[in-house]
Amino acid sequence: RKEVEQDPGPFNVPEGATVAFNCTYSNSASQSFFWYRQDCRKEPKLLMSVYSSGNEDGRFTAQLNRASQYISLLIRDSKLSDSATYLCVVISNTGGFKTIFGAGTRLFVKA
Amino acid sequence: SQTIHQWPATLVQPVGSPLSLECTVEGTSNPNLYWYRQAAGRGLQLLFYSVGIGQISSEVPQNLSASRPQDRQFILSSKKLLLSDSGFYLCAWARREQFFGPGTRLTVL
Repeated sequence: RKEVEQDPGPFNVPEGATVAFNCTYSNSASQSFFWYRQDCRKEPKLLMSVYSSGNEDGRFTAQLNRASQYISLLIRDSKLSDSATYLCVVISNTGGFKTIFGAGTRLFVKA
Repeated sequence: SQTIHQWPATLVQPVGSPLSLECTVEGTSNPNLYWYRQAAGRGLQLLFYSVGIGQISSEVPQNLSASRPQDRQFILSSKKLLLSDSGFYLCAWARREQFFGPGTRLTVL
């Protein structure tokens, strides 16, 4: 089992739709969680951190479920510019500080 | 604020030639530094990371090497490139979350 798993997609959604991605992780001792966005042929960029209490940034909402070991990203009112690959990231500190990137979920938002 | 630079942006090299990619960070001291490779349409593969000058950990055995001659400089090298070394090379610095440079797109022909 991979340490961090994501559905690769692609998710094809119309503008204005709501779309959600999940990401599961295997290490129950994981401490920090993030979502990154990667545009085609560009570097990944930090989108938002994920907290146990959940957090929201405009149209984006991230949540953490420690009991089931997954994080989620919800995008409301999708825009064409949201088309990208979304990477989940998990940081653990068991046997050393370790950052694991998921392989990413591709999103296409269409007019 | 912190910035991270990588160069060159693109590179085309023949098989068997050497490689040197450079990454520098500004605005922070003693960062953790990382080299990743991303093949087309694939996820990030961690190649090397460094927690300080001269301290390099390799994640994947291969014909690449890394060095950290200064606190904010990280270099990726190869003596002889292979076709399979083609990809998008990303440098990142971190305190907790990681921040990436713009990357170098390497094509080995």
